[in-house]
Amino acid sequence: GIQVEQSPPDLILQEGANSTLRCNFSDSVNNLQWFHQNPWGQLINLFYIPSGTKQNGRLSATTVATERYSLLYISSSQTTDSGVYFCAALDRGSTLGRLYFGRGTQLTVWP
Amino acid sequence: DAGVTQSPTHLIKTRGQQVTLRCSPISGHKSVSWYQQVLGQGPQFIFQYYEKEERGRGNFPDRFSARQFPNYSSELNVNALLLGDSALYLCASSLGSSGRRETQYFGPGTRLLVL
Repeated sequence: GIQVEQSPPDLILQEGANSTLRCNFSDSVNNLQWFHQNPWGQLINLFYIPSGTKQNGRLSATTVATERYSLLYISSSQTTDSGVYFCAALDRGSTLGRLYFGRGTQLTVWP
Repeated sequence: DAGVTQSPTHLIKTRGQQVTLRCSPISGHKSVSWYQQVLGQGPQFIFQYYEKEERGRGNFPDRFSARQFPNYSSELNVNALLLGDSALYLCASSLGSSGRRETQYFGPGTRLLVL
């Protein structure tokens, strides 16, 4: 299966700051998703972005499939942005809908 | 529309016992996948089911089994529980079989603690 690496593992910000989270993957992918896991464990879909750029409010994401990485941008951070951010990829060579997850980035936003 | 639902939300078992976790996918979704997430790690794939057939299995022992019902809901069973089975179990649903070019949606999870 493919390897998914996320950086940084931890990020501490003050409210209002901007941040960039990175996801590298080891092989071509069919599916790349970003999730936010809240303190109760719920994985909330942020973006489905196998390639290109998308924006949703203060969040945006870019995937450069040919270079095997994806970036999640968070602007004007709020305390409610705290939690763990995961990227997950689906192997392009597989017919199975199996997502491979990174270890996540733990984001803490202080007021 | 209701999202993916899972039950129970929390469960405490002792070693050697058996547990059954349940998942109902989003209406219209035919594929259900199960993931295990231990503390500090990303979710790990256990099974995928589509149209009541197992499409794939991750690197988990035979103590783990699952099935999908005609209404596309699913159950995950774990026998002979070990302490290491303590984890958050997540269910994901998607429209089709492969998940290609499809968003997968996750339920709130079941927290299992094995004592």
